[in-house]
Amino acid sequence: ELKVEQNPLFLSMQEGKNYTIYCNYSTTSDRLYWYRQDPGKSLESLFVLLSNGAVKQEGRLMASLDTKARLSTLHITAAVHDLSATYFCAVLPYGGATNKLIFGTGTLLAVQP
Amino acid sequence: NAGVTQTPKFRILKIGQSMTLQCTQDMNHNYMYWYRQDPGMGLKLIYYSVGAGITDKGEVPNGYNVSRSTTEDFPLRLELAAPSQTSVYFCASTQGWGETQYFGPGTRLLVL
Repeated sequence: ELKVEQNPLFLSMQEGKNYTIYCNYSTTSDRLYWYRQDPGKSLESLFVLLSNGAVKQEGRLMASLDTKARLSTLHITAAVHDLSATYFCAVLPYGGATNKLIFGTGTLLAVQP
Repeated sequence: NAGVTQTPKFRILKIGQSMTLQCTQDMNHNYMYWYRQDPGMGLKLIYYSVGAGITDKGEVPNGYNVSRSTTEDFPLRLELAAPSQTSVYFCASTQGWGETQYFGPGTRLLVL
């Protein structure tokens, strides 16, 4: 059974600090996605990582993918309050012709002033 | 484009009632999905469709049914609502394999 695990599940950090969210998955994957969800809102796509060593950056967020370690990271640089949200990673299993994603349980990020 | 739209936004059902959650996308996407999100949890796939007339079960299909008669619409039917179906339901769509899934705003369902 494919498992996608994120840690930490909850992260409280101060503005200006750096931190990393980890996403581990248990089988080979074709692609990995990061989404953001604000409280009571829908999911917004952040990044799609397509291959081993892929790195994408948008503002204070940078995502990377290591397919050999089955690990993706979402690094937050100099956090600001506006980044407070729940972050999900999702994996497209290798050979998944039906495009079904497996989601992690999410990391709730709270950035304190 | 409106993207993915869902109705209703919020609904309270009594145990044993039935209802249909509507989902429409105007992006001409082939793939459509229904997920549920329980409080503090990730998303679990209920049903999906790879095109009009083609649907299949996801991880948690029991108690639900779907149909896909058009490319745009993918309604989710709840029969005999149970408290365990209290959740937030998200519809999503994507154009092709591996492409980003776009999510609707969600339907919050409370079964009492």
